[in-house]
Amino acid sequence: GESVGLHLPTLSVQEGDNSIINCAYSNSASDYFIWYKQESGKGPQFIIDIRSNMDKRQGQRVTVLLNKTVKHLSLQIAATQPGDSAVYFCAENRGSGYSTLTFGKGTMLLVSP
Amino acid sequence: GAVVSQHPSWVICKSGTSVKIECRSLDFQATTMFWYRQFPKQSLMLMATSNEGSKATYEQGVEKDKFLINHASLTLSTLTVTSAHPEDSSFYICSARDPSGRSNTGELFFGEGSRLTVL
Repeated sequence: GESVGLHLPTLSVQEGDNSIINCAYSNSASDYFIWYKQESGKGPQFIIDIRSNMDKRQGQRVTVLLNKTVKHLSLQIAATQPGDSAVYFCAENRGSGYSTLTFGKGTMLLVSP
Repeated sequence: GAVVSQHPSWVICKSGTSVKIECRSLDFQATTMFWYRQFPKQSLMLMATSNEGSKATYEQGVEKDKFLINHASLTLSTLTVTSAHPEDSSFYICSARDPSGRSNTGELFFGEGSRLTVL
């Protein structure tokens, strides 16, 4: 079935490096994408979102890139810090109301000092 | 920003008992709340959509008689796991939608989760 998936289950980086977390989606009808950060034992925390009419959006130290041609989403974290260590999920929404928000499998980011 | 609170944050119960988890939107009214389930090292799976004043909408494969959802007010939704068994042990997370549009971090806000352990 259609789903959102990630290429790398674990990503290990050194403090100060840039991190790139990837996500592949298969539903071309999805029009809104969100990246969440989840620390151990906590709920997901919104990081950044992007709509399908955009291909790039920047936040504070984070950038999301959307390539609709190959149905690929990425999250770039600049100057990664130990506090960035967490599991990152991409999620896609296929319409209004969030009732069809589908989460990807997640990538664990480990940042070494 | 908008806050969603869950209670309890963790609970241990005996097999066969029922457990109620509360989800509250603290500073906004949420006509719609969502309940997710997350097993260790896995993603969030939507269980049901809770609608204020009406019946919840359950995802395929989720037993509505086992996972009772009540959304009696605009700020509170409850999930009751009835006759819990060890396989029901999981991390349950709720989210609520703030339709006011005042937030620049999206409309959906998550609670901190409730970890259920059934012995």
